[in-house]
Amino acid sequence: NAGVTQTPKFQVLKTGQSMTLQCAQDMNHEYMSWYRQDPGMGLRLIHYSVGAGITDQGEVPNGYNVSRSTTEDFPLRLLSAAPSQTSVYFCATRAPGANVLTFGAGSRLTVL
Amino acid sequence: AQKITQTQPGMFVQEKEAVTLDCTYDTSDQSYGLFWYKQPSSGEMIFLIYQGSYDEQNATEGRYSLNFQKARKSANLVISASQLGDSAMYFCAMREGSRSGGFKTIFGAGTRLFVKA
Repeated sequence: NAGVTQTPKFQVLKTGQSMTLQCAQDMNHEYMSWYRQDPGMGLRLIHYSVGAGITDQGEVPNGYNVSRSTTEDFPLRLLSAAPSQTSVYFCATRAPGANVLTFGAGSRLTVL
Repeated sequence: AQKITQTQPGMFVQEKEAVTLDCTYDTSDQSYGLFWYKQPSSGEMIFLIYQGSYDEQNATEGRYSLNFQKARKSANLVISASQLGDSAMYFCAMREGSRSGGFKTIFGAGTRLFVKA
C-alpha cells in the first residue's frame, strides 16, 4: 500500500515547455485534487475530481489541465510553463465518506 | 464564497506553554468540516484535528484542541504544553458541505509557529 505517490519530486523547466505531474493512489479513493503551495499564500486548490471521468476547477485553474481516466491516476498538465507556476505542488486524495485528506509528498517545480 | 483567514503569519511560544493559533472562516453551507494540518520543515502535510459543523463538543486530540465558536465562525487551534517539535507551519482548512461543490477543501495562508527552548 503505497498511499499517494507523486512524481517527479523535483523538476526544472524553461518557460514555454510542457510537462505532466503524476499522481497515483492505490487506496481506491474517489476524490483526488491538486494544490499549489506558495509562500504566504498557503495551499490553493487548482483542480479536483470526484471520480473517474469527472473533473472541476478549483481556485487557481488557469494554466493547468487535468483528466481522470482511471480511479488511480490524476495527472496535472502544464501546457506552456510560466515562471509564475514555480511552486510546490501537492496531490491529495480522500476516501468515500471520509473527511481527512491524504497528501502526497509534493513536487517542487521551478520554471526559469 | 468559501474563505479561510489566518491572521498570524508567525507566532512565538515558550516551550511547555500553551499557544492559540487563530482561524476564521466564511461559508454559506450549514454542513461543513474544519481541519488543522501541520507542515514541518520536511514538507509533508500532517493531519492534526477535525471538527464537524454539527459537533457540539470541541474536538481534542492529545495536546491539540479545536476551539470551535460557530456564531463567530472561528476554529482556533490550541496546543498545550508546547514542545520543540511543534515548530512548524500550521494550516487551517475547511471542507465545504455541498455535493455540487465536490466537498472540496480549501486552506488558509498558514501560521508559522516557533517554539523557544
